[in-house]
Amino acid sequence: DSGVTQTPKHLITATGQRVTLRCSPRSGDLSVYWYQQSLDQGLQFLIQYYNGEERAKGNILERFSAQQFPDLHSELNLSSLELGDSALYFCASSVLAGKRNEQFFGPGTRLTVL
Amino acid sequence: DAKTTQPTSMDCAEGRAANLPCNHSTISGNEYVYWYRQIHSQGPQYIIHGLKNNETNEMASLIITEDRKSSTLILPHATLRDTAVYYCIVSVRGGANNLFFGTGTRLTVIP
Repeated sequence: DSGVTQTPKHLITATGQRVTLRCSPRSGDLSVYWYQQSLDQGLQFLIQYYNGEERAKGNILERFSAQQFPDLHSELNLSSLELGDSALYFCASSVLAGKRNEQFFGPGTRLTVL
Repeated sequence: DAKTTQPTSMDCAEGRAANLPCNHSTISGNEYVYWYRQIHSQGPQYIIHGLKNNETNEMASLIITEDRKSSTLILPHATLRDTAVYYCIVSVRGGANNLFFGTGTRLTVIP
């Protein structure tokens, strides 16, 4: 158990819909990362937040957005869903301070778009 | 953007040492070598990291060559639960430190 929690575990929805994935980081971790893992693309970095501020952006589509709240939990919003958005979405957290910078991953949310 | 090269797959007998190689010939002076593993669709798990010295923890050892162009992850006594995809990643510590996961090595531990 990494200490990172993600909800829901599974999500099934239809094309064109909008969903929100939630992540709670480990206690004390200020940074949250979102990754997407699809069969044909492997694990891809989407976006990072640090203490409520966006820190870095990766291959995140404009239809996707994220935020980190004052209590440090984060949400990833996916809109206008397409079949190709079906994937595992992982959240990770890290302290991102000093020498402690390893990322700890949650169990993931499996999104299926029908 | 792959900065590392790993074999696609490897087998290892249970109880033996598993040695997983990684080439990172373009590594810069401020980049660390990280190893993560992913067991069948679970979240990736941090294993170990290093800059230039060899490192050991309760999970594994990391051997980095003197020129830092390659490294080897060693699982000293592989068990069936070590069957996973192992990712070797180079990344600058601090800052954004986003991890680029390549295709990794699929390690199968055989009974």
